[in-house]
Amino acid sequence: QKEVEQNSGPLSVPEGAIASLNCTYSDRGSQSFFWYRQYSGKSPELIMSIYSNGDKEDGRFTAQLNKASQYVSLLIRDSQPSDSATYLCAVVMNSGGYQKVTFGIGTKLQVIP
Amino acid sequence: KAGVTQTPRYLIKTRGQQVTLSCSPISGHRSVSWYQQTPGQGLQFLFEYFSETQRNKGNFPGRFSGRQFSNSRSEMNVSTLELGDSALYLCASSRSGTGGGEQYFGPGTRLTVT
Repeated sequence: QKEVEQNSGPLSVPEGAIASLNCTYSDRGSQSFFWYRQYSGKSPELIMSIYSNGDKEDGRFTAQLNKASQYVSLLIRDSQPSDSATYLCAVVMNSGGYQKVTFGIGTKLQVIP
Repeated sequence: KAGVTQTPRYLIKTRGQQVTLSCSPISGHRSVSWYQQTPGQGLQFLFEYFSETQRNKGNFPGRFSGRQFSNSRSEMNVSTLELGDSALYLCASSRSGTGGGEQYFGPGTRLTVT
């Protein structure tokens, strides 16, 4: 089992729709979770962080966390063509007395005009 | 505040050569992590440095090494390059003292091994 799992996609949604991106993780003790957006040919950019169960909203983005189910998701409302990118889920895991950030493979999102 | 910078941005090397990549973190960030990104494997963790000490290391051969200087700048070195080392190498800095905080990425160094 991979430590952080994401469907690589592509996930295609029409412009204006809600895009739902999902991620599961293996370490039940993980407490910090991040979503990064990566445009083709660019480096990842942090867009959301979430630490508590429930929803966290920032503009058109909502991150959802359910630690009991070891599940974190990102919703993008009113999807725009400019949202077309790969979205990486990142989970902080304990490692050798410290913590490290482990990334999923990323889900490619395509917003169709 | 200036972001994370990486040099060089592009590099072409021949099998068997060695290469050194450089990363300057955001001012005030003492943690620097390195990742290798390839289309099939995604972001793979190489190592993380904090205050000149390597705190974590990923599952890469000993040909991959790194170091951090007292000003938090970091370098990674790959010796005896192989074709499979062709990838985008990303550096990320964090303010976190525990290794688990928000990370901010540099633009990356694209390494091509021929």
